[in-house]
Parts: sequence; structure tokens; C-alpha cells
Amino acid sequence: AQTVTQSQPEMSVQEAETVTLSCTYDTSESNYYLFWYKQPPSRQMILVIRQEAYKQQNATENRFSVNFQKAAKSFSLKISDSQLGDTAMYFCAFMKQNNDMRFGAGTRLTVKP
Amino acid sequence: EPEVTQTPSHQVTQMGQEVILRCVPISNHLYFYWYRQILGQKVEFLVSFYNNEISEKSEIFDDQFSVERPDGSNFTLKIRSTKLEDSAMYFCASSEVGPPVYEQFFGPGTRLTVL
Repeated sequence: AQTVTQSQPEMSVQEAETVTLSCTYDTSESNYYLFWYKQPPSRQMILVIRQEAYKQQNATENRFSVNFQKAAKSFSLKISDSQLGDTAMYFCAFMKQNNDMRFGAGTRLTVKP
Repeated sequence: EPEVTQTPSHQVTQMGQEVILRCVPISNHLYFYWYRQILGQKVEFLVSFYNNEISEKSEIFDDQFSVERPDGSNFTLKIRSTKLEDSAMYFCASSEVGPPVYEQFFGPGTRLTVL
């Protein structure tokens, strides 16, 4: 079974600064997908960024980037130039192709003005 | 932009009652999923559905739960006899078969409250 671990229940960052959220996972699969989802107070699940395991290049989406270390089974999210609207729960998720998604417990991020 | 929709947004029911949560996946998607999130906890997989049958289900998805695609657009989750512990946010998601195969699109969720 695949497990996803987010070791930081809560984090805070000053507006405009950079923060990194950690995620590790456990799998015997060689091909899979990793995601970061944002869940604001509205509780909508919003995809932030995704990474295919077969790609060595780290994914980047504007202010969001990942540090994917396949051998270490680590998938951290870096948020640059943090904005107040980034305040949310962030879930790391693992998925085999067209399969169910397994989520971590989440990290509550607070961006302070 | 196409999106997954869910109704109702909030459902309140008495313990022991049956509830049906409805989802309309994105029209060209063929994989469908239900997840739940108990307040303050992580999102948990319930079931995936493809080609009119369940393709995978978790240990949470017991005999009290069932899913159905009654027509070409809706995807439903039924809980036959609700329990207090069924109170949660229920998310529907869908994904395509062809590329990109790896992204699931989530609906806004239905908040189920069992009294």
C-alpha cells in the first residue's frame, strides 16, 4: 500500500517570503504521479502542481515549484513570494495511473502580513 | 472551463436514513471517484468507477455504500443507513482515459451532516 507522510502539521510564513512544505511517500511502483493540492477555507480541492515520476525535471507553476527526489521518495513544495491568498491546507497526494489517490494528512499554512 | 459539479452542497439527515449524493463529472471523462474528508482530517479514497463498474474500493467503502451512473451524466454515491461517523465532506472527482491520464478534477464537495 502506498502511504504519504506530511511531517509538518502547521507552518507559517511572512508575506513575500519563501516557504517549503515537506512530503515523503512509500511505494514499490516505478511509475506514478505526485500532486500538491490546496484546500482553502471553502474546502474546495485545488490542484497546485503535479509531477510525473518518470520526469527528472522538477515541475514549476509560477510561484510554486517542487523538489522531487525519486530515490529518497521525497516531494517537497516551495512557495515563493508568499501571498495572503496562499493561506490554506496543503495536501500532498500520490497516484498510480488512473488509480485512487492517496493523500497525506496535510499542512496548514498561514501567510502573515 | 469544464468542471465537476456536486449537489447538494450541504445535506443534513437523521441517523439511519438513506442519502444520495450527486455528481456530474466532466463530460468527456470516463473515470470517476468518491473521496471523503472528516472534519480536520485528511482526504480519504472511497471508490473508483470505470466502464460502469467499481474498479477499486477502500476498506471504508462497505456494504452501506454504493455507487451508480444512472444516466450519461450523473454519478451518485448512496449511503443506505447513515451513521453519525458518516458526517464528512464528500468529494467527487473525474479523470480522462487518454492523456493527460494523471489528473483528477475535484468537485466542490457535499457536506453531509448526520444527526
